[in-house]
Amino acid sequence: DTAVSQTPKYLVTQMGNDKSIKCEQNLGHDTMYWYKQDSKKFLKIMFSYNNKELIINETVPNRFSPKSPDKAHLNLHINSLELGDSAVYFCASSYEGARGRETQYFGPGTRLLVL
Amino acid sequence: AQRVTQPEKLLSVFKGAPVELKCNYSYSGSPELFWYVQYSRQRLQLLLRHISRESIKGFTADLNKGETSFHLKKPFAQEEDSAMYYCALQGSSASKIIFGSGTRLSIRP
Repeated sequence: DTAVSQTPKYLVTQMGNDKSIKCEQNLGHDTMYWYKQDSKKFLKIMFSYNNKELIINETVPNRFSPKSPDKAHLNLHINSLELGDSAVYFCASSYEGARGRETQYFGPGTRLLVL
Repeated sequence: AQRVTQPEKLLSVFKGAPVELKCNYSYSGSPELFWYVQYSRQRLQLLLRHISRESIKGFTADLNKGETSFHLKKPFAQEEDSAMYYCALQGSSASKIIFGSGTRLSIRP
């Protein structure tokens, strides 16, 4: 009954590899997000999808490509991994309330370590 | 431009002492302000939002538009309050949420 789930929880890989992180939410929300939390705990938005459409695309290298097959899923594919990609990646979702997009519900995070 | 500033990276107080985590924002309109908390090895979760005017786990935050601040306060800190706290701002309904850089709160016994 987990609201926002991510797989895998941990990912250790070599530089240059391609990897994917999956995210699913069962809250019926229409908006999903990817955030990156670096080693200094700074949290920055990367992408946001609303009903499978990309609405926010921050200054992120194009090695990062999000994909939303349906509004309950938002996956993140990373090509040619670099050392600086090591971070915790959080998925989140929110619904459209009367005052706009409401509270963000976060997944448990995926710890990516690039060696 | 939208900006959220949390001037303290680390705040350490004794158990039972009052706590105030500072948050200042920059936004030209009427923003939505939030406090999110991340306990050790757990997911980020909403603590409170200004529009609810609630007290959650003894914490309160008042939006001060004149000072553009949304400081988080608790009169008596508890050890379980130790966590990372993020202040966040959302502008118009279509805009993203901007997070501050976070403040690590450490409660000493």
